[in-house]
Amino acid sequence: QVQVVQSEAEVKKPGASVQVSCKASGYTFTDYFMHWVRQAPGQGLEWMGCINPKNGDINYPQKFHGRVTMTRDTSISTAYMDLSRLRSDDTAIYYCVREGLSDPNRNFDDWGQGILVTVSP
Amino acid sequence: QTVVTQEPSVTVSPGGTVTLTCASATGAVTSSYYVNWFQQKPGQAPRALIYSTINKQSWTPARFSGSLLGGKAALTLSGVQPEDEADYYCLLFSGGVWVFGGGTKLTVL
Repeated sequence: QVQVVQSEAEVKKPGASVQVSCKASGYTFTDYFMHWVRQAPGQGLEWMGCINPKNGDINYPQKFHGRVTMTRDTSISTAYMDLSRLRSDDTAIYYCVREGLSDPNRNFDDWGQGILVTVSP
Repeated sequence: QTVVTQEPSVTVSPGGTVTLTCASATGAVTSSYYVNWFQQKPGQAPRALIYSTINKQSWTPARFSGSLLGGKAALTLSGVQPEDEADYYCLLFSGGVWVFGGGTKLTVL
């Protein structure tokens, strides 16, 4: 059974950093990209980037350059996303979602349950 | 990064048919955009419905279908059920990055 389980909720102050994690089970971790998606309260979904767990390559939009770091620990099938210099508008639910590395169909199939990150003074 | 546009809200009667669309500001959406569609109900994580424009997940009900229509990606629900009331998001690959549409709130009334 495929599962993507995320870490617990976080509360941070503006200017701080947060690390959220996503542990995969039920499949070969290095066979799937891990993407990060966030959703601010009452808002839509926003793609933050992805990591190739096989080689650590990262792809993310210009908006997050310099603030987002994505890493992985293949020994424990876990992906991490660090977001620095937090602002109040970073308050959101952060999801991880997998996509088949070698799948030409680009299928985002399994989502984590989401982690609420709250940025508050 | 392109802007992806969806209808903000759509209302449909139970048993009816509705098509939600997903447009790219850079031009016509094609199969090379690898469009994915997701359904999200309140308080839940998104759930995958369609990938690569037309392909259904194993759990996607038969009444959902994906297509390209008039330069846009489309999600059609035929024989809408009350439980289909949800937010629907498209995701497409453009310019080397993935971009979500703003989402469509589907009301079944």
